[in-house]
Amino acid sequence: GENVEQHPSTLSVQEGDSAVIKCTYSDSASNYFPWYKQELGKGPQLIIDIRSNVGEKKDQRIAVTLNKTAKHFSLHITETQPEDSAVYFCAASGDDMRFGAGTRLTVKP
Amino acid sequence: DAGVIQSPRHEVTEMGQEVTLRCKPISGHNSLFWYRQTMMRGLELLIYFNNNVPIDDSGMPEDRFSAKMPNASFSTLKIQPSEPRDSAVYFCASSFKGLAFANTGELFFGEGSRLTVL
Repeated sequence: GENVEQHPSTLSVQEGDSAVIKCTYSDSASNYFPWYKQELGKGPQLIIDIRSNVGEKKDQRIAVTLNKTAKHFSLHITETQPEDSAVYFCAASGDDMRFGAGTRLTVKP
Repeated sequence: DAGVIQSPRHEVTEMGQEVTLRCKPISGHNSLFWYRQTMMRGLELLIYFNNNVPIDDSGMPEDRFSAKMPNASFSTLKIQPSEPRDSAVYFCASSFKGLAFANTGELFFGEGSRLTVL
C-alpha cells in the first residue's frame, strides 16, 4: 500500500518568513496530493491540492509543487502569519487516502 | 450542509466496555473513511467504504474493531471490548468519487470523537 513520509515534524519560523514542508510517497499509482491543515480540537481541512498532471499550483500565499518522477511534493507558505500556526498534513491518494505524520508549524510574531 | 457529523464528541469508558462511534456523512457523498489519530502514529486509515460497501479494512487493528455502513447516511465504528491503547481521536471523513471510483477527491472531516479508555 501507499506510504507517505513527511518532514520536518516541527517547524518554527518568524512571522513574514517562508515555510516549506516536504513529503515523499511510494505508490506510483497515486495521482492526487492534497494538503490539510488541522487546528486544535478540530478535524483536518483541505487548504490546497494538486493532481498528477500538474507540476505546480498556487493559491495566494500557498503553493504546492509535485515531482512525479521523484515521487515527492512540497508545500510552500510565504509571508507567514501567526494564524498559519497549526499542524499540516500531506496525503497521497489513489483509491484510498494515506496521510503523512504531520508537521507542527509555529509562526512567532 | 452541516458537514460530516460525528457523535459522541467525547467518550470516557472503562476497559472491557463496548464503544460505538457514529458518523453521518455529507449528503451526496459516496465514499466514507474512518481514521484514528494518535500522537505516536498520526492519522491512520482504519477502513473505507464506497457506496456503502467496505473496500479495504486492512487498517483495522484487530477483531475487536468493526465498522458498518447500513445506508448512505450512516456509519458506525464499534470497539468491543475496548482497551486503554484504543484511546485516540477517531475521525470520520466523506468524499464524492466520480465514475468508476477514480481517485478519491477532497475529504471532508468531522470534528472527531475523542475516546479515553481507562
